[in-house]
Amino acid sequence: EVQLVETGGGLVQPGRSLKLSCVASGFTFNNYWMSWTRQAPGKGLEWVASITNSGGSTYYPDSVKGRFTISRDNAQNTLYLQMNSLRSEDTATYYCTRDRRRGVFDYWGQGVMVTVSS
Amino acid sequence: DVVLTQTPPTLSATIGQSVSISCRSSQSLLHSNGNTYLHWLLQRPGQSPQLLIYLVSRLESGVPNRFSGSGSGTDFTLKISGVEAEDLGVYYCVQGTHAPYTFGAGTKLELK
Repeated sequence: EVQLVETGGGLVQPGRSLKLSCVASGFTFNNYWMSWTRQAPGKGLEWVASITNSGGSTYYPDSVKGRFTISRDNAQNTLYLQMNSLRSEDTATYYCTRDRRRGVFDYWGQGVMVTVSS
Repeated sequence: DVVLTQTPPTLSATIGQSVSISCRSSQSLLHSNGNTYLHWLLQRPGQSPQLLIYLVSRLESGVPNRFSGSGSGTDFTLKISGVEAEDLGVYYCVQGTHAPYTFGAGTKLELK
């Protein structure tokens, strides 16, 4: 059974940093791209970052480019999202997703809440 | 960025009724490789989204065949043939043809 378990969320002040982790199990982690997608409270979904299966390439929308960094440790079956210079508009539930590429997010974690507030 | 417009925003249905949700794109979603990267997700209340349909019309494994997808270019439709109680929630379309990936605003399916 595929499982994706996110940790690392919480309350953080604007301008500070936070790192999310996602431990994957139930599939061969290094065979798949992985992504992060977020959902602001009561709002829709927004893609945040993607990484190739090897970790050699990463992709971001303009809203987080230069502030967020996605990475992975294939030996530990773990995906990360380093979030710097956080803003109030980054407040959301962040989901770790398995990515079959081109927007096919076939498994989602339970999500982790990040609140950016002073 | 590609804008996906979903209609209606809210849909009220009775159990057993057939319903359709529209997703219209601001640009053609036909990729130069011949694929159309338009997919559908369902987010049940209090749950994470789940993939229902990918590449316009391909049913994800384990998804009931009362769900079907159709369309091309800029106009796409998700149809539920006989709504069941477990189908209630918010439906999202998502495109992966053009960077960045973008989602529609969602269609909430409620019981009438």
